[in-house]
Amino acid sequence: DVKVTQSSRYLVKRTGEKVFLECVQDMDHENMFWYRQDPGLGLRLIYFSYDVKMKEKGDIPEGYSVSREKKERFSLILESASTNQTSMYLCASSLGSEKVYGYTFGSGTRLTVV
Amino acid sequence: QKEVEQNSGPLSVPEGAIASLNCTYSDRGSQSFFWYRQYSGKSPELIMSIYSNGDKEDGRFTAQLNKASQYVSLLIRDSQPSDSATYLCAVRNFGNEKLTFGTGTRLTIIP
Repeated sequence: DVKVTQSSRYLVKRTGEKVFLECVQDMDHENMFWYRQDPGLGLRLIYFSYDVKMKEKGDIPEGYSVSREKKERFSLILESASTNQTSMYLCASSLGSEKVYGYTFGSGTRLTVV
Repeated sequence: QKEVEQNSGPLSVPEGAIASLNCTYSDRGSQSFFWYRQYSGKSPELIMSIYSNGDKEDGRFTAQLNKASQYVSLLIRDSQPSDSATYLCAVRNFGNEKLTFGTGTRLTIIP
């Protein structure tokens, strides 16, 4: 089975800090995604990447950036953390864009910004 | 209109009964459909996928797709307390890397 590993399960950061969330997948997947999940709002796409060094904005990219220097690793960066970025962050990967491919999610990082 | 709509629930079903979860989507170009199960505090896990009209069965789960009505459903037979979770419907459009998710239906199985 594909494994998607997120580096931290829980994080507490202070307002204004630069925060790095790391995600690594072990099955040579082309596409990787960062979502945040909030009660009542569902999953919202922040950024995604379909190849090394390639990235595209999702629905809510403001306040975030990403980096994909290697195929297996996709990092989410909060440039200056704010309290409204307190959320569950989920990384996902998929093999490609063919219709048969769903996502595999990591276990999530619950980030609290104080 | 939201792209993918689900009744948020909660949906309560007695143990042993059939749970029926529904999802509608707005884009007629949608090509593939996925059901994810998410336990409280955990990440979503893929349980079913369907691409063609009709039914697809996997154990106690059956996914049903009706493209003409833009409707996809998930049936869970012989519901167990361990089926209590939030179920997310996701849709992929042709050639699109991204899935679009509904907000989920919370299902509770009553022993």
